[in-house]
Amino acid sequence: AAGVIQSPRHLIKEKRETATLKCYPIPRHDTVYWYQQGPGQDPQFLISFYEKMQSDKGSIPDRFSAQQFSDYHSELNMSSLELGDSALYFCASSFRDRPYEQYFGPGTRLTVT
Amino acid sequence: AQSVTQLGSHVSVSEGALVLLRCNYSSSVPPYLFWYVQYPNQGLQLLLKYTTGATLVKGINGFEAEFKKSETSFHLTKPSAHMSDAAEYFCAVSENSGGYQKVTFGTGTKLQVIP
Repeated sequence: AAGVIQSPRHLIKEKRETATLKCYPIPRHDTVYWYQQGPGQDPQFLISFYEKMQSDKGSIPDRFSAQQFSDYHSELNMSSLELGDSALYFCASSFRDRPYEQYFGPGTRLTVT
Repeated sequence: AQSVTQLGSHVSVSEGALVLLRCNYSSSVPPYLFWYVQYPNQGLQLLLKYTTGATLVKGINGFEAEFKKSETSFHLTKPSAHMSDAAEYFCAVSENSGGYQKVTFGTGTKLQVIP
């Protein structure tokens, strides 16, 4: 069965650079969620989208933005990267009417040097 | 506001022994509860979930969990640990917040299986 796809799987950036992470949800899933998992931490909810509109917002820094496109894929844009942004970034997807069934992608490991 | 507490950041069991990972939650409304497993350098895999109905939930890899409302608990168990069960386990709670589901994770429990 198709799963959530995230790209790239690994990314190394320097401080103050920008990064774009991509997420392709499971086919027919219409809702996408982004989570950040710092080293040794639990995943923290960042933001979610439904039908290209932001549906919920968590602890996402102002330096980050995200959007969902007409094919339901989503991109997380991060600017002015800081060392503390180094983390594993997960994307999850679900059907709008079954949001409790979120399926997670493998994550993108971002390292900021 | 919802929260999740996982007792014990590290748990060690012998191969073949009972696995018990504890999770307590707080939620202002009836919650949805989940257990996820994360292997090193991999994503989160859903083990099992409780939404409504039967309070004893069976998941993959022989794991099960029981929702006990009176104790606000959702402990994860497996009768006999296998070496391949060594991983980090996250309990999570999801509740409706303004029409959307917000998922909150516990801090995780690393399970070590000793041969």
